[in-house]
Amino acid sequence: SYDLNQPSSVSVSPGQTATISCSGQTLGSKDVSWYQQKPDEPPVLVIYEDNKRPSGIPERFSGSHSGNTATLTISGTRAMDEADYYCQVWDIRTDFYVFAGGTRVTVL
Amino acid sequence: QVQLRESGPGVVKPSGTLSLTCAVSGGSVTSTYWWSWVRQSPGKGLEWIGEIYHSGKSNYNPSLRSRVTVSLDKSKNHVSLTMTSVTAADTAVYYCARDRGQLVRGGSFDFWGQGARVTVSS
Repeated sequence: SYDLNQPSSVSVSPGQTATISCSGQTLGSKDVSWYQQKPDEPPVLVIYEDNKRPSGIPERFSGSHSGNTATLTISGTRAMDEADYYCQVWDIRTDFYVFAGGTRVTVL
Repeated sequence: QVQLRESGPGVVKPSGTLSLTCAVSGGSVTSTYWWSWVRQSPGKGLEWIGEIYHSGKSNYNPSLRSRVTVSLDKSKNHVSLTMTSVTAADTAVYYCARDRGQLVRGGSFDFWGQGARVTVSS
């Protein structure tokens, strides 16, 4: 199976920038999506195709992808951004959606 | 705006069969989208279970393939999940989700249900 790796936690001060990495072998050949999940709520898509924002997602959320590492950046982090974030890809070889283990973002 | 709502029994006995339904509103399960089930065990991450297309073609997580069936009920506009031989490891919140790509797979999920909590316990 295909593995994706994220740090388990990231801490950030309000107003600062949070960055979350996502890595995997051959990730460079895949489109990466990112989800935000708050406690007892379903995930919300915040980035798709590496760097595109769905309608309604604030501009402070951005995504980038270089080689086998993708990055979610939250600029000007707010207390409301405290959540778990998951990166995800679709593996075209196996028709399989893969999620990484998630990163808990704490706004201190 | 598409809305998804999962329903089903909250408790299933070990070795029993888990059956969940996802009611789709604001859209049709016969439209050209992939419909998936994703689960989340307590305190854990997200795990994709399987999917189905309007044509009936389905794909499954290899680790669950032998126990899982995803199906469509076009008359009720529902997507269903059946999982057999459940154990405590299947205790989770089960989500219904739609891939954002129409005709061509988008590779990510733009609409999710609120989730159905299922506990496997005798």
